[in-house]
Amino acid sequence: DIQMTQSPSTLAASVGDRVTITCRASQSINQWLAWYQQKPGKAPKLLISDAFQLQSGVPSRFSGSGIGTEFTLTISSLQPDDFATYFCQQYNSYSRTFGPGTKLVVK
Amino acid sequence: EVQLLESGGGLVLPGGSLRLSCVASGFIFGDSAMSWVRQAPGKGLEWVSSISTSGTSTYHADSVKGRFTTSRDNSMNTLHLQMTSLRGEDTAVYYCTKLMGIRASGTIPHDFWGRGTLVTVSS
Repeated sequence: DIQMTQSPSTLAASVGDRVTITCRASQSINQWLAWYQQKPGKAPKLLISDAFQLQSGVPSRFSGSGIGTEFTLTISSLQPDDFATYFCQQYNSYSRTFGPGTKLVVK
Repeated sequence: EVQLLESGGGLVLPGGSLRLSCVASGFIFGDSAMSWVRQAPGKGLEWVSSISTSGTSTYHADSVKGRFTTSRDNSMNTLHLQMTSLRGEDTAVYYCTKLMGIRASGTIPHDFWGRGTLVTVSS
């Protein structure tokens, strides 16, 4: 199975900050990577698919990049609603795997 | 509006069985591959299974292979997860998810998620 890692595991930031989360795959997954946002007690929400495709309705301050084994999620100017946990997921094969998550907290 | 409503969760003894269901609305159910994803309390997300549009192809995580079976009834817009030989490590919130396309085998993400149903395996 393809293993996914994320860094950092926790990120403390302030409203207005630019933040970046990194996701790495144990082998190439081409561009088959998604980013999800999850708030406590809620289901995950798809933000970005295919490494950089922003989903409809997701604010443009979110962006994704990368290909192969290294990917990033960037929030250009953090808003109060963005404090949540972010997961990456590879779907290069039927055996999809998620990263362990990055919790974005208020500094 | 896409809606996925899971049911069937609850408390079950180790070694027991449980059947989860997910009723879908707001899209053409038979045109979308579907999937189950679980999340143990306080933990990350784990893909459990995927099923093709017709139901003829299914894929399961190694951790549940041979114990869980995924099926669907397109006439009832319903997805099922039959769980047997349950273990403590199966305790989790189980999410029904819609895949963004027809290919259960990969290269499409989960674009909509239900609210989840909690399964607790404990004596």
